[in-house]
Amino acid sequence: AQRVTQPEKLLSVFKGAPVELKCNYSYSGSPELFWYVQYSRQRLQLLLRHISRESIKGFTADLNKGETSFHLKKPFAQEEDSAMYYCAPPEKTSYDKVIFGPGTSLSVIP
Amino acid sequence: EAGVAQSPRYKIIEKRQSVAFWCNPISGHATLYWYQQILGQGPKLLIQFQNNGVVDDSQLPKDRFSAERLKGVDSTLKIQPAKLEDSAVYLCASSLVGGNTGELFFGEGSRLTVL
Repeated sequence: AQRVTQPEKLLSVFKGAPVELKCNYSYSGSPELFWYVQYSRQRLQLLLRHISRESIKGFTADLNKGETSFHLKKPFAQEEDSAMYYCAPPEKTSYDKVIFGPGTSLSVIP
Repeated sequence: EAGVAQSPRYKIIEKRQSVAFWCNPISGHATLYWYQQILGQGPKLLIQFQNNGVVDDSQLPKDRFSAERLKGVDSTLKIQPAKLEDSAVYLCASSLVGGNTGELFFGEGSRLTVL
């Protein structure tokens, strides 16, 4: 079964500093990976997916198959980035099962 | 478009009582998921429906939890009898069927406190 680890439960950075949220997965194959975010008092929502190679709100994520990692990065953190971030690699089943990592709480200090 | 609707938002019950949660997915979304999120943890998949059929319930404690999705639209999740460790937020999500898009749309969740 797929396993997802997010080693940092809490991460605090100063506004304007770079931020990196780590995610490691265990999967043999070519997974499609996602980052979900939950801002305070809002629903869990998709932030970005690696297959689209897009940058959302300044965040990017690079899939490193060799290290089986999918770290989320942003060069300059903003206060509004404070939220819970979940890495989510779907399991390659016929029915799009999606599992979530334990999450990292990002706090951006003004 | 209307999002995923869940009710009730909050529920407090005593252990051994029963509770039911309701979910209305986004119109046209064939896949519906129930997740349990215990404080400090990531969401854990309890059950996944495709239309009105169950495709995964491997993590559902079937001795006390049940779920159904009649007519492939709304879904209910029931817990009977509840235990203290069932205190959590129950999240419903839906997604378009087909492909491995993986984009889930979540409801606001139903927070259950078992005393």
